Amino acid sequence: AQKITQTQPGMFVQEKEAVTLDCTYDTSDPSYGLFWYKQPSSGEMIFLIYQGSYDQQNATEGRYSLNFQKARKSANLVISASQLGDSAMYFCAMREGTNAGKSTFGDGTTLTVKP
Amino acid sequence: NAGVTQTPKFQVLKTGQSMTLQCAQDMNHEYMSWYRQDPGMGLRLIHYSVGAGITDQGEVPNGYNVSRSTTEDFPLRLLSAAPSQTSVYFCASSYSAGSPMNTEAFFGQGTRLTVV
Repeated sequence: AQKITQTQPGMFVQEKEAVTLDCTYDTSDPSYGLFWYKQPSSGEMIFLIYQGSYDQQNATEGRYSLNFQKARKSANLVISASQLGDSAMYFCAMREGTNAGKSTFGDGTTLTVKP
Repeated sequence: NAGVTQTPKFQVLKTGQSMTLQCAQDMNHEYMSWYRQDPGMGLRLIHYSVGAGITDQGEVPNGYNVSRSTTEDFPLRLLSAAPSQTSVYFCASSYSAGSPMNTEAFFGQGTRLTVV
């Protein structure tokens, strides 16, 4: 069974508007971390934000925030005030337990920001 | 600060050839991993290492070997290349901190491999 599901293959947003990218996950481990990465067309992987399973508050990093709903097993990325440079592929990933070598990735969402 | 360095950046192989993708990190990270990314898809774990001398299989290990003789290096060997191994390969490193692990993976720039 897929552990990370991103149901939006592609999304469009107008410049300066906010956008939410969906991510649901599945795990039986009570200790896990959720990550979002950005992959621009140049191909590199850029870390954006992290949320731990025990964190009480939603993570925020600048224009990025993570809407963490533990009971629903969702970890949606919210990008506020979209910029043209936000156009990229976005991946949700999960790491279970204490093994930092194993991450499971979703299939990604391609975000296009329109001027 | 070099971070994670992968070589080569591009490679074309003929079916049946073998080769080694190199990965080196200078951050003294314990954990290193290899992923492949097929077009339009996410990253899938091939092999990973939790420290020098210790490796384990990921989701798609068939056709690949790894070893970790030093903390810095984690080469990926393709034993007999097949067209199905055409992909972009990413090496990543990370370190342990807290539980759950709250440290992100640091990725190399990727190796684009084509098998003809």
